[in-house]
Amino acid sequence: QVQLQESGPRLVKPSETLSLTCTVSGDSVSSSVYWNWIRQPPGRGLEWIGYIFYSGSTNYNPSLKSRVTISADTSKNQFSLILTSVTPADTAVYFCARTYGDFPYWYFDLWGRGTLVTVSS
Amino acid sequence: SYVLTQPPSVSVAPGKTATITCGGNNSGRKSVRWYQQKPGQAPVLVIYYDSDRPSGIPERFSGSNSGNTATLTISRVEAGDEADYYCQVWDSTSDHGFVFGTGTTVTVL
Repeated sequence: QVQLQESGPRLVKPSETLSLTCTVSGDSVSSSVYWNWIRQPPGRGLEWIGYIFYSGSTNYNPSLKSRVTISADTSKNQFSLILTSVTPADTAVYFCARTYGDFPYWYFDLWGRGTLVTVSS
Repeated sequence: SYVLTQPPSVSVAPGKTATITCGGNNSGRKSVRWYQQKPGQAPVLVIYYDSDRPSGIPERFSGSNSGNTATLTISRVEAGDEADYYCQVWDSTSDHGFVFGTGTTVTVL
């Protein structure tokens, strides 16, 4: 059974860097699927942040592109999110998710439980 | 950037049919997915490829997509269907990314 688990600091100060890790079990980050980060501010909708492919190629939401980096550590079977220069507007539940299916019809078939990150001094 | 617009809320009596729309420019040319999200939980895929259901999703959930509107229909609504629902597409324009709809809260009366 494939599972995703987010981990990282729950509280980040404004202007600092948010860093989260998603640990994959039951699948490999080196498999030919895309691994994503998605967030949801409290009481609001879903926003796709970006993905990484097993080859290392990445794609980011244009609205966040200047502040986002997604990377993968195949030895630990993890992929990570770094979001720089955070503000309270970055307060959200952050989900990691797997994309499955054929381009461009792919979909998010597996999600982590999500972790709430609060940006506050 | 590409925008998908959904009604903020839909109310439906048990046993009736709930219809949730998702409007986007030429959305009929894109493959639409639908996710169900209950409070405090991660979203769950209920429809992909416009109208296909993953295993384990009841036949009561169906989807369609034509023109500028995709539709999720929930037949014979049950109390357990109360949740937020989001449509989603892949935007193949210059932005190249996943786009979610604004979300619809389904309330079972």
